[in-house]
Amino acid sequence: GAGVSQSPSNKVTEKGKDVELRCDPISGHTALYWYRQSLGQGLEFLIYFQGNSAPDKSGLPSDRFSAERTGGSVSTLTIQRTQQEDSAVYLCASSLDRAGETQYFGPGTRLLVL
Amino acid sequence: AQSVSQHNHHVILSEAASLELGCNYSYGGTVNLFWYVQYPGQHLQLLLKYFSGDPLVKGIKGFEAEFIKSKFSFNLRKPSVQWSDTAEYFCAVKSYNFNKFYFGSGTKLNVKP
Repeated sequence: GAGVSQSPSNKVTEKGKDVELRCDPISGHTALYWYRQSLGQGLEFLIYFQGNSAPDKSGLPSDRFSAERTGGSVSTLTIQRTQQEDSAVYLCASSLDRAGETQYFGPGTRLLVL
Repeated sequence: AQSVSQHNHHVILSEAASLELGCNYSYGGTVNLFWYVQYPGQHLQLLLKYFSGDPLVKGIKGFEAEFIKSKFSFNLRKPSVQWSDTAEYFCAVKSYNFNKFYFGSGTKLNVKP
């Protein structure tokens, strides 16, 4: 497809379970970002992948959160031992890795932790 | 750390009214500035961006924004809003040297027909 895709679109899980969220960036985009959007909040930066460089993990809120990007394309965000406060929309965006380049966002995964 | 402030959290206007949404950021260096829009049920999309050059930037659907460096502001404007402009608007800043984006908390615009 032409855009960024994310799966699943919705995820309901029980507190304490692990979840994996997937992002397929636009083909050829070397930069990939994960954000979290909580109700009434702006977008909170989580992690940034740039080509083959080490990712910028400075936004991950705790060690329960991790992400990887395989083959410079698909990325998976994993949340271990989910908590109710993890409930949010998780957005992925990709861009060409050049100054001033626009980010293109996926539709997001809406996570609800019961 | 950088921060982005959007002072208007919820704006209600009638059609044909003029719009100005405030955005201020805290970073002293060279920045790229963006406005994104999220229409109901849709994902975020770029409205306009400032990279360099003319500080008055024109975007899609009649929107424009002015970068005022001395005020650390990048306010979004539209002379006459339409019902279809009902959406949430996010301001974002990226420092020129780094690829991390900082987003404001968003402004929900509700245009009454």
